[in-house]
Amino acid sequence: EVQLVESGGGLVKPGRSLRLSCTASGFTFGDYAMSWFRQAPGKGLEWVGFIRSKAYGGTTEYAASVKGRFTISRDDSKSIAYLQMNSLKTEDTAVYYCTREAMTTVTTDYWGQGTLVTVSS
Amino acid sequence: QSALTQPRSVSGSPGQSVTISCTGTSSDVGGYNYVSWYQQHPGKAPKLMIYDVSKRPSGVPDRFSGSKSGNTASLTISGLQAEDEADYYCCSYAGSYTPHNYVFGTGTKVTVL
Repeated sequence: EVQLVESGGGLVKPGRSLRLSCTASGFTFGDYAMSWFRQAPGKGLEWVGFIRSKAYGGTTEYAASVKGRFTISRDDSKSIAYLQMNSLKTEDTAVYYCTREAMTTVTTDYWGQGTLVTVSS
Repeated sequence: QSALTQPRSVSGSPGQSVTISCTGTSSDVGGYNYVSWYQQHPGKAPKLMIYDVSKRPSGVPDRFSGSKSGNTASLTISGLQAEDEADYYCCSYAGSYTPHNYVFGTGTKVTVL
């Protein structure tokens, strides 16, 4: 069974940093691209970024709203994906979801339960 | 990229059919056959219901179906059941190295009367 468990959320002041982790199980983590999405309270879903598998260079892409502030990385030996968030703004307040990208098509097929990040002074 | 346009809400009685539209542009919905639909119950993570416009993942009831015409995709729920009451989001691929690889719809609340 595919499982994705996010951790590291919490309350942080504007301008500070936070790192989220996503621990995966139930599949060969290194074979898959991984994404992060977010959902502000009472709002819709927003793509944050993703990291390709090492077979495809392990490269990353980011939404314009977080580019230059957020960094996604992965540790295939531990089956963990990370989201490093710097220079946080109040508008970054959201539930952050870790997801797995499908192997054979362009969609995200499994989601973690999410972790809440609150940016407030 | 702007969000894809969905109706705010749709409703139907048990056993009826409802259809949710999702309108984008030629840069997203119209440009790729990579439209997905997600179901989200309150306080829960989204669940993939449809991908590649009309394909269902294993375990998703065949009451759920998807289609696309031009820049508009649609999700139809036939034989509506109480557990189908949830928020539904469409999602389209919008190309690599663009401001948003994935663009989401505004979300539709499905109410089972």
